[in-house]
Amino acid sequence: NAGVTQTPKFQVLKTGQSMTLQCAQDMNHEYMSWYRQDPGMGLRLIHYSVGAGITDQGEVPNGYNVSRSTTEDFPLRLLSAAPSQTSVYFCASSPSHSEPGNTIYFGEGSWLTVV
Amino acid sequence: GNSVTQMEGPVTLSEEAFLTINCTYTATGYPSLFWYVQYPGEGLQLLLKATKADDKGSNKGFEATYRKETTSFHLEKGSVQVSDSAVYFCALSRKAAGNKLTFGGGTRVLVKP
Repeated sequence: NAGVTQTPKFQVLKTGQSMTLQCAQDMNHEYMSWYRQDPGMGLRLIHYSVGAGITDQGEVPNGYNVSRSTTEDFPLRLLSAAPSQTSVYFCASSPSHSEPGNTIYFGEGSWLTVV
Repeated sequence: GNSVTQMEGPVTLSEEAFLTINCTYTATGYPSLFWYVQYPGEGLQLLLKATKADDKGSNKGFEATYRKETTSFHLEKGSVQVSDSAVYFCALSRKAAGNKLTFGGGTRVLVKP
């Protein structure tokens, strides 16, 4: 059972570099999202998608870009990495964005350090 | 806007002790409420949820009751084990907001043998 798969698990970047965090789900889920986790702040929504070809901004979108060309994949791009983007990133998916109480499934996380 | 407030940790307990983690929320309408658990080095897993007032979610000995009158969803377990050591997140979602999750800051729980 693959579920939600994120890569890489660990990454160190230099300030100004760009990179892409990959996310794939094999559950045919409609809804996918990216969160970042910072100490004492819980998880904050970066971007989300309610279906292929549809994306929208969450709470903290600046410095990040996403696309959803297929149902399965939802990559997160850091355009020009900054130390403030040092965080743990989680990809998540759920069957629907419109059913109350939908369970959201999370990947195992990607630890990113920007130096 | 929506917000979730939960008690700050860390909470340190002995094995077989009673655990309570307080969670209160602010939201319009009738949100769904969740507890997620994050074990060391892992992603978040759904622990339990409740979708309407007075519902009780339960799983693995944990329970939480959706209290509309006090806007609370406190997590409880009667007898904790070392394996319950983790970070616990309270969260809410609203259908009108596309079911996006709003999280509390997380509470780290450490259970000692």
